Amino acid sequence: DAGITQSPRHKVTETGTPVTLRCHQTENHRYMYWYRQDPGHGLRLIHYSYGVKDTDKGEVSDGYSVSRSKTEDFLLTLESATSSQTSVYFCATRVSGLPEQYFGPGTRLTVT
Amino acid sequence: TQLLEQSPQFLSIQEGENLTVYCNSSSVFSSLQWYRQEPGEGPVLLVTVVTGGEVKKLKRLTFQFGDARKDSSLHITAAQTGDTGLYLCAGGYKSGGGADGLTFGKGTHLIIQP
Repeated sequence: DAGITQSPRHKVTETGTPVTLRCHQTENHRYMYWYRQDPGHGLRLIHYSYGVKDTDKGEVSDGYSVSRSKTEDFLLTLESATSSQTSVYFCATRVSGLPEQYFGPGTRLTVT
Repeated sequence: TQLLEQSPQFLSIQEGENLTVYCNSSSVFSSLQWYRQEPGEGPVLLVTVVTGGEVKKLKRLTFQFGDARKDSSLHITAAQTGDTGLYLCAGGYKSGGGADGLTFGKGTHLIIQP
């Protein structure tokens, strides 16, 4: 258990508004990831980070940006939310040198 | 793009029966992980296998990694209602960038009926 929390846990927002989701970890894991989970698609990687201020795009990064100013926090921003971004978002962390990822409890985002 | 196919997508069986879930790919993975996810929660790691042919047991759950490291299976003996959940396999790969990635299968929804 990597002590991962996500906030908010649930959010409803309107199309076109900016939204920021937060992931916080207490284990000092180097790597952090943002995924979205949708029926029929499974978990898909949005962005990941391999250190403070070091981030890169994943499979479905369009419309999303991330920032990591501290080891423990990884923020996911939807600059202008669209209905296609309605999903459940999961944060995960990983220790350097090991393959296992540990997941947070998720944020359910609804864009109306 | 590395793809992982899981089968079956849905499985509903009676308590006490045995079952096997499969995870297949045309790609070679450096590791293979199995997760279990319950509604409203994040995936929880069950096991990691890294060596071709490796078999790991977790109580009534047996995990196997194929010799060529392209496929894996999860076998549950004498299923219990508490085994109900979404089972996900994830293949690890070495990316050329800054972080090793995971490719997830779409999952197997398992329901164990009393």
